[in-house]
Amino acid sequence: QVQLKESGPGLVQPSQTLSLTCTVSGFSLTSYNVHWVRQPPGKGLEWMGVIWSGGNTDYNSALKPRLSISRDTSKSQVFLTMNSLQTEDTGIYYCNAGGFAYWGQGTLVTVSS
Amino acid sequence: DVVLTQTPPTLSATIGQSVSISCRSSQSLLHSNGNTYLHWLLQRPGQSPQLLIYLVSRLESGVPNRFSGSGSGTDFTLKISGVEAEDLGVYYCVQGTHAPRTFGGGTKLELK
Repeated sequence: QVQLKESGPGLVQPSQTLSLTCTVSGFSLTSYNVHWVRQPPGKGLEWMGVIWSGGNTDYNSALKPRLSISRDTSKSQVFLTMNSLQTEDTGIYYCNAGGFAYWGQGTLVTVSS
Repeated sequence: DVVLTQTPPTLSATIGQSVSISCRSSQSLLHSNGNTYLHWLLQRPGQSPQLLIYLVSRLESGVPNRFSGSGSGTDFTLKISGVEAEDLGVYYCVQGTHAPRTFGGGTKLELK
């Protein structure tokens, strides 16, 4: 059974760095690509980036200067790091895999002082 | 980046009514490998998105067959043949043919 679960700090101060973890089960990270998608409150979905099963990454060009995605295959974890956070980065952050077939529950990130 | 334009932004329906949602792309979504990576998601209130249709018209496992997808190139349609209460929420199209992946703006289906 494929499962994904996001975890993170919940509250981040402006200008600080966000670190999120997506822990997966039921599949190997060397077999599935894992994407990050976010959703500001009351708004639509925004694709952030992907770590491909082979380990390469691609990013949304608007976020690329401050975004990094990595993984630890032995722990079945994918990491998202984004720096210089602003209030407009507030929202729910999701990881997903299997061509959008499998989604985590999402984690709410609030950027506020 | 590919822009996906969904219409209408809001759709009011009664239970049992058939409805359609349009998704138009700024570029053809036909990949050089012959596949068209256009998919449909449903996000119910307070939930994560759920895959309904992939590769234009293929029904995801467990999804009721009142949902169907069609289209090609730049024009795509999601049809619900007989809306049920559990179908309410926001529908998104998403493309994976061109980098970066992009989502449509969403269509909110609500009860009339």
